[in-house]
Amino acid sequence: QKEVEQDPGPLSVPEGAIVSLNCTYSNSAFQYFMWYRQYSRKGPELLMYTYSSGNKEDGRFTAQVDKSSKYISLFIRDSQPSDSATYLCAMKTEGAQKLVFGQGTRLTINP
Amino acid sequence: KAGVTQTPRYLIKTRGQQVTLSCSPISGHRSVSWYQQTPGQGLQFLFEYFSETQRNKGNFPGRFSGRQFSNSRSEMNVSTLELGDSALYLCASSFRGLDSGNTIYFGEGSWLTVV
Repeated sequence: QKEVEQDPGPLSVPEGAIVSLNCTYSNSAFQYFMWYRQYSRKGPELLMYTYSSGNKEDGRFTAQVDKSSKYISLFIRDSQPSDSATYLCAMKTEGAQKLVFGQGTRLTINP
Repeated sequence: KAGVTQTPRYLIKTRGQQVTLSCSPISGHRSVSWYQQTPGQGLQFLFEYFSETQRNKGNFPGRFSGRQFSNSRSEMNVSTLELGDSALYLCASSFRGLDSGNTIYFGEGSWLTVV
């Protein structure tokens, strides 16, 4: 079993829809949770960074962490065609720089 | 502020050769990590360097090695290349100060094709 599980999709939604992306994990020592966006043939771009449980909002993006369920989510409101990319969840433990990634979800927003 | 810079961006090598990839972290960042990304395995951690010392290592064979210089720039080397080493190699940098949860930024990567 992988430490971090993420549905690879692909996920296709119409422009303006609310998108929900999710990851589950098995290592209860993970304390820091991140979402990266990766466009084709580009490096991952940090979108959201959350410590421990709770919600964090940044513009159209909201990240949620539920440590009791070992479940994290990223919500995208008013989705745009420019949001079409692969979204990767990543997490790490206290004191470490090693990120453990999910497989990534390929998202397409249709105009 | 310049981001993480990786060179070269694209390269093609022959089986059995070796390759060296270079990474310049964000100014002021002292930790550099390397990752391999493939369609089948996704993003996997190779190793991390901080203050010129390897701090953590992933589950890769000894053909994969790296080093860090006093200016925090880092190189990784893959010897005796195999077809399966074809991948996007990503460098990530972070400050790694007292707050160990600090954010980690990636470069654009080096695309390696082994033929």
